[in-house]
Amino acid sequence: DQQVKQNSPSLSVQEGRISILNCDYTNSMFDYFLWYKKYPAEGPTFLISISSIKDKNEDGRFTVFLNKSAKHLSLHIVPSQPGDSAVYFCAASESGNQFYFGTGTSLTVIP
Amino acid sequence: DTGVSQDPRHKITKRGQNVTFRCDPISEHNRLYWYRQTLGQGPEFLTYFQNEAQLEKSRLLSDRFSAERPKGSFSTLEIQRTEQGDSAMYLCASSLAPGYEQYFGPGTRLTVT
Repeated sequence: DQQVKQNSPSLSVQEGRISILNCDYTNSMFDYFLWYKKYPAEGPTFLISISSIKDKNEDGRFTVFLNKSAKHLSLHIVPSQPGDSAVYFCAASESGNQFYFGTGTSLTVIP
Repeated sequence: DTGVSQDPRHKITKRGQNVTFRCDPISEHNRLYWYRQTLGQGPEFLTYFQNEAQLEKSRLLSDRFSAERPKGSFSTLEIQRTEQGDSAMYLCASSLAPGYEQYFGPGTRLTVT
C-alpha cells in the first residue's frame, strides 16, 4: 500500500521558470517530510525538510509547502536550472522513524 | 566528514549464494537505516538502528534478510540464499537523531544471476 504518492512521473520546465513537484500522503500521523534529489548511479541527496508544525520552509531556490488538511506537499524550485534535472523523491515519517518514499518525479530543465 | 560509505558498490552473485553488504555512517550519527530500491520505485524501508539497537525489523523482506550494527558504528546487511528477485539497489542512510534528515550512501547494486 503506497502511503506516499507522486502522481507525476515526469516534468519538463524551461530554464529560469518555476518547477513545482507534488506529493500526496495518506497517513495523517505523518509529521515530518523530506525531499531528495537523485542522479543516476548515486544515492539520494537531501534537499529540504518540513515538520508538520510549519506550512512552509525555504532554502535558497527551494521551498517546500505543506497542506496538512489536504495531505499534500509540494516542492518549488525557482529559478530552475539545467543542473536541477534529476529524479525527485518525497518522503514522510511519523516521529522521524520509518520513512516512506514516493515513486519519484523525473525533472528535466530545458536550457 | 566523508559522508556515508557503502561497500561493495556492485555485487554479482549466483542464485542461492549469501551476500553481505557494509555501511559506514557519518561518524556522529546515531541512527542508521537500510533501504532497497528497485527500478522505477522509491527507496523501500527495510530496518533501522539507534546506536546498536535494531528498533524495527518487521519490514525486512523475508527471514533471509538480516542486519547488524554490533558496536553502534558500521552496519552489515546480509541476504542468505539469494534469489533473482533480490536484485536491486541497497541503500544505507544515517541521521543524527529522530526528526533529522537522513543522508544516503551511494548504494550497493546487487545482481543475482
